[in-house]
Amino acid sequence: NAGVTQTPKFQVLKTGQSMTLQCAQDMNHNSMYWYRQDPGMGLRLIYYSASEGTTDKGEVPNGYNVSRLNKREFSLRLESAAPSQTSVYFCASRTQWGGGQPQHFGDGTRLSIL
Amino acid sequence: KNEVEQSPQNLTAQEGEFITINCSYSVGISALHWLQQHPGGGIVSLFMLSSGKKKHGRLIATINIQEKHSSLHITASHPRDSAVYICAVNDMRGAQKLVFGQGTRLTINP
Repeated sequence: NAGVTQTPKFQVLKTGQSMTLQCAQDMNHNSMYWYRQDPGMGLRLIYYSASEGTTDKGEVPNGYNVSRLNKREFSLRLESAAPSQTSVYFCASRTQWGGGQPQHFGDGTRLSIL
Repeated sequence: KNEVEQSPQNLTAQEGEFITINCSYSVGISALHWLQQHPGGGIVSLFMLSSGKKKHGRLIATINIQEKHSSLHITASHPRDSAVYICAVNDMRGAQKLVFGQGTRLTINP
């Protein structure tokens, strides 16, 4: 009964390094999301995928890229990490885009950029 | 001004007290969500509502669409209720994206 699985859970990078955060869901959901959570701020949407084969920018997309590899997997890539990208990253999914269905969240990835 | 505002930002109470967390929003919505985030980070959906009131165990959520306001109540609070509670709305603009409040950190002391 995994739900939404994120890997890794923790990561420390040096400025300029690249890495990919992985997310997979086993609920056959169509829509998937990447958020970042910073102290004193609400969750902010980085990118989303309304359905397999589509991706769109959210509120704070600069410095990130995404890939919807298949229906289950949605990855977030930092090409050249910057200290401003230090944050907790959450992946989420829900049945479909639109409407008011609840989103299901992963446990988060704590990323520190030195 | 944030489109979703929660109050209070921090709340400390004694075990057994009745807790109320408020959420006000300024955009048109199709639904409002209450989420719970425990220390350690995982986020769980508690309620999704578009009108009226919902109850699950000791938790009650209400929404007043005309006043653009929602409340989350916890009856007979317990230390295990200590968490961050997040209000989020499905914004009817922007293709139904979720807009989040900053969260309310609740601490229940034994």
